[in-house]
Amino acid sequence: GESVGLHLPTLSVQEGDNSIINCAYSNSASDYFIWYKQESGKGPQFIIDIRSNMDKRQGQRVTVLLNKTVKHLSLQIAATQPGDSAVYFCAENGQAGTALIFGKGTTLSVSS
Amino acid sequence: DAGVTQSPTHLIKTRGQHVTLRCSPISGHKSVSWYQQVLGQGPQFIFQYYEKEERGRGNFPDRFSARQFPNYSSELNVNALLLGDSALYLCASSLGQTGNTEAFFGQGTRLTVV
Repeated sequence: GESVGLHLPTLSVQEGDNSIINCAYSNSASDYFIWYKQESGKGPQFIIDIRSNMDKRQGQRVTVLLNKTVKHLSLQIAATQPGDSAVYFCAENGQAGTALIFGKGTTLSVSS
Repeated sequence: DAGVTQSPTHLIKTRGQHVTLRCSPISGHKSVSWYQQVLGQGPQFIFQYYEKEERGRGNFPDRFSARQFPNYSSELNVNALLLGDSALYLCASSLGQTGNTEAFFGQGTRLTVV
């Protein structure tokens, strides 16, 4: 599968590959994180969340990993499909838990 | 069940004018947050309202204001519009305070200031 060690603005994969999208968050006090998918012209779509008392959480075809030591979050998408093509954002809670602070998005392009 | 609904979907305004954007949260959700998303960037936090009180405010000028009604719907108001206010304005709905529970976004209002 395709993976990136540091945040990259774009990621191109073949259909059926596994994708890994990385995110570095800013605040060591953040204790709640969400991954969103945003398609062109639409609002962000909730994918999966994780709290800081967990290292890993799995959903349908997606897995989120949290490494609090290095303040790193990743989203793994299994068997990537063309419909997964979108911009992916990670978000951490900020401002005493009243806001979501979004990271830089990664544009995932899936070719068939 | 209806998701988060925002109106209008698109809007064109002239510099100096005022605009009001509206949001209806998911039924049963008590928190509404507003975000501004400029093209090519992630959403930026503007306000959070929970149980009809302002619970958080982002780094936006006083030209931006909001309120939440008894039915938990919300309005975002922007006065003295500038060209730089052109953006997608997103509303997020959550059961508890945004930042501690799942937050779901509407489709947004695309504001263009000319």
